[in-house]
Amino acid sequence: DTGVSQDPRHKITKRGQNVTFRCDPISEHNRLYWYRQTLGQGPEFLTYFQNEAQLEKSRLLSDRFSAERPKGSFSTLEIQRTEQGDSAMYLCASSLAGGETQYFGPGTRLLVL
Amino acid sequence: GQQVMQIPQYQHVQEGEDFTTYCNSSTTLSNIQWYKQRPGGHPVFLIQLVKSGEVKKQKRLTFQFGEAKKNSSLHITATQTTDVGTYFCAGATGFQKLVFGTGTRLLVSP
Repeated sequence: DTGVSQDPRHKITKRGQNVTFRCDPISEHNRLYWYRQTLGQGPEFLTYFQNEAQLEKSRLLSDRFSAERPKGSFSTLEIQRTEQGDSAMYLCASSLAGGETQYFGPGTRLLVL
Repeated sequence: GQQVMQIPQYQHVQEGEDFTTYCNSSTTLSNIQWYKQRPGGHPVFLIQLVKSGEVKKQKRLTFQFGEAKKNSSLHITATQTTDVGTYFCAGATGFQKLVFGTGTRLLVSP
């Protein structure tokens, strides 16, 4: 499968714990995006990388959230000290620089108890 | 900040009926994209519109971008049960950060 993959697909954690999600983009794509989607809403932009550089972060991304893309390939999104309000689907997408189509992964569904 | 609204929020049609969802942005867009998300699934790209007044067709789906590049519509002719899902428009600005609309959930009864 050459699409965007995300791991894990589901995560249940207790409030206050840290969680980390991984995204593997389509191999030739140099742009990578993280979005968050809550029930009944559209995805909301969190952050964006071009190669290894993180070029923009949404105000939604509090200081408990950190994203990395160290080698310009896969990316990780870490949430520290999780809160119940962090419960959502975390979506990763990738695209080619100069291309507009973003291809989404299956998402990681997070439930914070 | 930029907002993208869609109407209606929800529509239930009988198979064979037509369906339209409308998308409005608070700011001018460089392009607009449409995605379909099935229940439990992830957004799947349908199409992108770039030019003012552009109209594109994909089989039974017709997409339109407004003259002012602030609104768009998706029309489905003769809906089928496979059309069920939530349709999102997403406005792109600058480096292609997408601002998603609120979505229109379509239910089609056989």
